[in-house]
Amino acid sequence: ETGVTQSPTHLIKTRGQQVTLRCSSQSGHNTVSWYQQALGQGPQFIFQYYREEENGRGNFPPRFSGLQFPNYSSELNVNALELDDSALYLCASSLAQGRDTEAFFGQGTRLTVV
Amino acid sequence: AQKITQTQPGMFVQEKEAVTLDCTYDTSDPSYGLFWYKQPSSGEMIFLIYQGSYDQQNATEGRYSLNFQKARKSANLVISASQLGDSAMYFCAMREGSTGGGNKLTFGTGTQLKVEL
Repeated sequence: ETGVTQSPTHLIKTRGQQVTLRCSSQSGHNTVSWYQQALGQGPQFIFQYYREEENGRGNFPPRFSGLQFPNYSSELNVNALELDDSALYLCASSLAQGRDTEAFFGQGTRLTVV
Repeated sequence: AQKITQTQPGMFVQEKEAVTLDCTYDTSDPSYGLFWYKQPSSGEMIFLIYQGSYDQQNATEGRYSLNFQKARKSANLVISASQLGDSAMYFCAMREGSTGGGNKLTFGTGTQLKVEL
């Protein structure tokens, strides 16, 4: 196990609703990244947080937002859910920014939008 | 723009045999990192192996080795002595090399590996 935990593991929401996904990073890790993985595809980078500030964002609309807390845990918020938001959402943590740092992933949250 | 290409949607291998999963990449950044992850049906991405663009030797981790050919921009994963538990989806990924790139990984589309008796 990596020490990265995500909650909830599964979630069903209705189109138009809002959702919050949570990630507890591995002890001591100060960088958290979020990814969206649609069925049959590779993960797509949403954004990254380093020391509580967003530090890099992928091609996702502003209704995808996040937070990182002083203990380095993180939240992903998605507003105005759309059917295409149905996916596995993965969070990854690492010790620090740098060339050789590994990213450890959690088990993911499977979001279904109906 | 970075790009990772995995051309094998699915692969079969017999137990105890070796298998090579292909990965090619495209980047203009001279400094980058290449990763391989295993994703079982449970969904968790399991780190397997890492290769830095300036590393002189190919990376190895137990039964996993990375055949890094920089001039060809390829980073193939070799799994030796395949086991039934190796059946999973395998992803190749690349990270931007400059400091501050953090953990923005660009993933390929994956290769589904099935190990048979």
